[in-house]
Amino acid sequence: GENVEQHPSTLSVQEGDSAVIKCTYSDSASNYFPWYKQELGKRPQLIIDIRSNVGEKKDQRIAVTLNKTAKHFSLHITETQPEDSAVYFCAASTGYGGSQGNLIFGKGTKLSVKP
Amino acid sequence: DVKVTQSSRYLVKRTGEKVFLECVQDMDHENMFWYRQDPGLGLRLIYFSYDVKMKEKGDIPEGYSVSREKKERFSLILESASTNQTSMYLCASSGSEEGWDEQYFGPGTRLTVT
Repeated sequence: GENVEQHPSTLSVQEGDSAVIKCTYSDSASNYFPWYKQELGKRPQLIIDIRSNVGEKKDQRIAVTLNKTAKHFSLHITETQPEDSAVYFCAASTGYGGSQGNLIFGKGTKLSVKP
Repeated sequence: DVKVTQSSRYLVKRTGEKVFLECVQDMDHENMFWYRQDPGLGLRLIYFSYDVKMKEKGDIPEGYSVSREKKERFSLILESASTNQTSMYLCASSGSEEGWDEQYFGPGTRLTVT
């Protein structure tokens, strides 16, 4: 079945620097790759997602890239701010969605942004 | 605004007790999910449901069962709680009947089994 590896497990950056989190997946049929952010004591929330027909997607300071050949995707956060401090989870889809599949999550990356 | 609620934020139960965790969503979503979150292990899928009375096993279904009698409500049941089921339990829902859509999470229930 699908396996998602996420690195690094912890990441510390200075405010204003960039942060990159990388994930690899094993199922070549995966076609949906969301990223969730979980602040301390709060629920995970979707921050950006990408589908397999797109190589890159940006939303302000956040971008995600996808390399289907290598089966890896990455989250890029530029100009980091203290409020970016959280645990970030990547995920990859199995099946076709709806009744026909689910998401496999990585183990998470704890990002700390130092002022 | 999607709202996913869970019946308890904190729960303490004894070994061997039957435990019910309830999740309710108010957006008429088709799909509902139960995850378990443990430090260093991320989010692991226990069960999901794509329709009333339908259920599918996730990655770690052992020791759990689920019930979905109404579209808005998805219950996770621990038939006989054990200490290794001490964890944070997260419910989620999503709307797509086909393809992929955002999963909206509830606030979580932190269960302690003593």
